[in-house]
Amino acid sequence: EPEVTQTPSHQVTQMGQEVILRCVPISNHLYFYWYRQILGQKVEFLVSFYNNEISEKSEIFDDQFSVERPDGSNFTLKIRSTKLEDSAMYFCASSEVGVGDQPQHFGDGTRLSIL
Amino acid sequence: GEDVEQSLFLSVREGDSSVINCTYTDSSSTYLYWYKQEPGAGLQLLTYIFSNMDMKQDQRLTVLLNKKDKHLSLRIADTQTGDSAIYFCAETGDSWGKLQFGAGTQVVVTP
Repeated sequence: EPEVTQTPSHQVTQMGQEVILRCVPISNHLYFYWYRQILGQKVEFLVSFYNNEISEKSEIFDDQFSVERPDGSNFTLKIRSTKLEDSAMYFCASSEVGVGDQPQHFGDGTRLSIL
Repeated sequence: GEDVEQSLFLSVREGDSSVINCTYTDSSSTYLYWYKQEPGAGLQLLTYIFSNMDMKQDQRLTVLLNKKDKHLSLRIADTQTGDSAIYFCAETGDSWGKLQFGAGTQVVVTP
């Protein structure tokens, strides 16, 4: 069964450094998403992406965050200047189309630790 | 605004049925999902239901929806040790692409 893959599985970064989290969505999917889960808290929506542009973003997704689809397979989340509070599990997801009966499929996540 | 609530913990004996409950607040038409997260793994989609349905069955899984009370439940028949995981309820809310998650229910299956 096709799946969403994320790399790396664990990233440790110094505060203030830039970090790029990578995702390969399912190949025929057109909508891509990032979520995060801070330890002990709910999974939170960050951003959705379609047709090479952001469809929707949450209040969390401020100017230090950006997303990109640099080629036909990868979907990346960049955090420009990391803060301690960015430590979390980051999940990438994809769906065939952006309607509810085409559910989102998630990757295994990248655990980001900011020191 | 949307809010999804779940009980945090459920212990069940192997072979019994598990029932995991969820309440949501969004009043518009919505899709409701159940995801499973095993230790160290991602969110695995189990099943989903549209808010105009009452029930959906898929092998050992049964989803019941009480739209009036905005209450969703997931029943796992003949619970196995491999069912031990965190189960997340989520809804689409006011935007198809933006899932709103509950805090997750930790299910522990004992022999």
